[in-house]
Amino acid sequence: TQLLEQSPQFLSIQEGENLTVYCNSSSVFSSLQWYRQEPGEGPVLLVTVVTGGEVKKLKRLTFQFGDARKDSSLHITAAQPGDTGLYLCAAHSNSGYALNFGKGTSLLVTP
Amino acid sequence: DSGVTQTPKHLITATGQRVTLRCSPRSGDLSVYWYQQSLDQGLQFLIQYYNGEERAKGNILERFSAQQFPDLHSELNLSSLELGDSALYFCASSVAVGLLYNEQFFGPGTRLTVL
Repeated sequence: TQLLEQSPQFLSIQEGENLTVYCNSSSVFSSLQWYRQEPGEGPVLLVTVVTGGEVKKLKRLTFQFGDARKDSSLHITAAQPGDTGLYLCAAHSNSGYALNFGKGTSLLVTP
Repeated sequence: DSGVTQTPKHLITATGQRVTLRCSPRSGDLSVYWYQQSLDQGLQFLIQYYNGEERAKGNILERFSAQQFPDLHSELNLSSLELGDSALYFCASSVAVGLLYNEQFFGPGTRLTVL
C-alpha cells in the first residue's frame, strides 16, 4: 500500500489568511487527486494532477504536483469560512482500481 | 449532490449483530467502491465491483461481504459486529476503471454505531 502522509493534521486560521497543506510519499504516482470533505458528507474531488511540476488553480486554491511526482501541495489564498473542511489527497493503488487516501488535513477558518 | 445515494444514513446496532448497507450509483456508472472511514485509520478502501463482478479487494474483513446486483446497486453486509466496526461507510461510483480519468463520486455515507 502506498503511504500518503499529510501535514499538518489540523489547522485553525482566521478569515483572510493564507495557508499551505502538504501531501508526501516515498512512492512515485502517475496522478494524484485532492478531495474536500465537509461534515456529514462524502469527499468531493477538487482536482487531479498528472504531470510532474504541474500547477493547477481553482479560484483561490492552487495545487502543485512535485517534479518527481512523489508529493503535492495545496495553497489557499485569503481563506474563507466556506473553505472549512477535511482536505484529503489520494492516489490510485497499484492495482489501478481503488484510491489510497492520506489521513487528511482538517481546516477550520473562523470569521 | 453527487448522484450516489446511500441508505440508511445512520445505523445503531449491538455487538454480534448483522447489518446491510445499500448504495445506488450514479446513473450510467458501472463501478462501485466501498470505503470505511474511522478517526484512527482514515478513509480506507474495502472492495470494488464492476458491472456485477468483484474487481479489487482492500482491507476488508472476512466478516464483511458485498455484492452488486443486475440493476447495479450494491450492498455491503457486515456481520458479527464489533465495537471497532463503528465508522462511516462510504460508497463511491465511477464510469469505468481507467487510471487517470477514474473520478469517483462519493455518496453521503452511512454512520454505523455498534454498542
